[in-house]
Amino acid sequence: QVHLVQSGAEVKKPGASVRVSCKASGYTFTSYYIHWVRQAPGQGLEWMGIINPSGGSTNYAQKFQGRVTVTRDTSTGTVYMDLSSLRSEDTAVYYCARGTIGAPDEYWGQGTLVTVSS
Amino acid sequence: QSVLTQPPSASGTPGQRVTISCSGGSSNIGSNTVNWYQQVPGTAPKLLIYNSGQRPSGVPDRFSGSRSGTSASLAISGLQSEDEADYYCASWDASLNGPVFGGGTKLTVL
Repeated sequence: QVHLVQSGAEVKKPGASVRVSCKASGYTFTSYYIHWVRQAPGQGLEWMGIINPSGGSTNYAQKFQGRVTVTRDTSTGTVYMDLSSLRSEDTAVYYCARGTIGAPDEYWGQGTLVTVSS
Repeated sequence: QSVLTQPPSASGTPGQRVTISCSGGSSNIGSNTVNWYQQVPGTAPKLLIYNSGQRPSGVPDRFSGSRSGTSASLAISGLQSEDEADYYCASWDASLNGPVFGGGTKLTVL
């Protein structure tokens, strides 16, 4: 069975950075892309970026360029999303999701709540 | 403002057929397929439709999708109370070099 298990909730102060992890299992890690999608409270889904676990290439939404970094560890099947210079507007649930380069498929992590507050 | 436009709300009574629209442009829906996701508040999104009209295994055939020109739609027939959720469309955008989501449609079963 395919599973994506994310790290736990985080509370950060403005200006800090956060790392969210996503551990994949149940499939060949390097065969599918991993997307990062976030959802602010009461808002819709927002695509942040993607990584190809095979070669490590990444692509980020313009809005997050310079603030987000996605990496992977093929030895553990884990993808990491680092977001820096946090502000209150970054308070959201962050999801990782498996997929093609075009969009996430049916396997999503459980979500990680990141709260940014002074 | 989302790149893909969806109505903010839709509603229907049990047994009815409802449709949710998703409007885009030539760089996204006009040249790429559409996925639809269902999200019950507090849970992760669930893939309902991929490649504009295909259903993953386990998704009831009450759900169907279509794409025409720069628009797509999700149809739900035989509406059930458990269908009450938020629905999102998504498509690859060649101009933005990434997938884009619609703003979401909240479906209420009356």
